[in-house]
Amino acid sequence: EPEVTQTPSHQVTQMGQEVILRCVPISNHLYFYWYRQILGQKVEFLVSFYNNEISEKSEIFDDQFSVERPDGSNFTLKIRSTKLEDSAMYFCASSEGRARGTIYFGEGSWLTVV
Amino acid sequence: ELKVEQNPLFLSMQEGKNYTIYCNYSTTSDRLYWYRQDPGKSLESLFVLLSNGAVKQEGRLMASLDTKARLSTLHITAAVHDLSATYFCAVSNNAGNMLTFGGGTRLMVKP
Repeated sequence: EPEVTQTPSHQVTQMGQEVILRCVPISNHLYFYWYRQILGQKVEFLVSFYNNEISEKSEIFDDQFSVERPDGSNFTLKIRSTKLEDSAMYFCASSEGRARGTIYFGEGSWLTVV
Repeated sequence: ELKVEQNPLFLSMQEGKNYTIYCNYSTTSDRLYWYRQDPGKSLESLFVLLSNGAVKQEGRLMASLDTKARLSTLHITAAVHDLSATYFCAVSNNAGNMLTFGGGTRLMVKP
């Protein structure tokens, strides 16, 4: 079964450093998403991306965050100057269309900011 | 702002018993998702419900959607230990480009 893959699986970074989380969505999917889950809490939407532009973003997704699809396969989330409260599991997801079918999630990238 | 509430937040049940998890949401939507999450793992898609009255079943799990009541249920029949996990419902916005998740129901099935 096709899957969304994410790297790294775990990253520890110093506060103030920049982090890039990488995702390879399922190949024929057109919609891409980032969500995050702080330990023990619910999953929160960050951003959705379609046709090389942001489709929707949440209040969490401020100027500190950016997304990019640098080539035909990768989808990245950049956090410019990490804060302690950015420590969370970050999930990439993709879907063929807009919420009419399954949205597939990757295994996640654990980010620990120290 | 769309709000999604699940209850109960924690459920401990014996094997063989039946139970229902409820998911209420605050604004109109006809697209609702159920996911399973094992500790430290990703979100596994269980059901996608796309219309009022939709009912889907897979094994011991059955999900339904009532868009008029803004309510979805996940019914567990004759629970087994392997069903122990956290279950999330998630509701799509009208544009279909964002999911709002409920707080999750942590299910523990005891042998």
